[in-house]
Amino acid sequence: NAGVTQTPKFQVLKTGQSMTLQCAQDMNHEYMSWYRQDPGMGLRLIHYSVGAGITDQGEVPNGYNVSRSTTEDFPLRLLSAAPSQTSVYFCASSRSPETQYFGPGTRLLVL
Amino acid sequence: KQEVTQIPAALSVPEGENLVLNCSFTDSAIYNLQWFRQDPGKGLTSLLLIQSSQREQTSGRLNASLDKSSGRSTLYIAASQPGDSATYLCAVNHDNQFYFGTGTSLTVIP
Repeated sequence: NAGVTQTPKFQVLKTGQSMTLQCAQDMNHEYMSWYRQDPGMGLRLIHYSVGAGITDQGEVPNGYNVSRSTTEDFPLRLLSAAPSQTSVYFCASSRSPETQYFGPGTRLLVL
Repeated sequence: KQEVTQIPAALSVPEGENLVLNCSFTDSAIYNLQWFRQDPGKGLTSLLLIQSSQREQTSGRLNASLDKSSGRSTLYIAASQPGDSATYLCAVNHDNQFYFGTGTSLTVIP
């Protein structure tokens, strides 16, 4: 199993640009989530999904969109990037809200 | 809103020492609590998961305890090794969402 994979590993955007961060898992997990990690603030939940077709907002959802059309994939979309979205983004999956498995992360820099 | 705090923020110990990392949370209505390890520039690796009905979990040199009523968990590391150097994070599952502490950065000196 590849586990949880994320692409790209690193991205530089200009303010106002849009992009999609990809996340995929091959463990048939129902629960998937997106976090951002900022210095001194720990990980904060952006959006999560408890199954295909079901998504919900986390603690910091503004500026981000998600969809869950398949069990395997959970992309995170930045509609209009802002410098405040510079961060490291992690995707995680689990079989219901149990042990979470994390991807390697995507480092995003917005200029 | 659930708040998770980890103390201390950083810890440096000589190799071989036993140590305790602390995690506290404000709302005791949690489903479970999980301890993670994060190496610099890497993702998170799950160490231990404690269900709300459990008091402790053990894996090798690691032991995690949970006192839900007081909103506290501890991670005990026995006979620390330089390879244990990393940041340790705790996360609580509250209302189907995970809330993380800011972590404890551990350095084990050879």
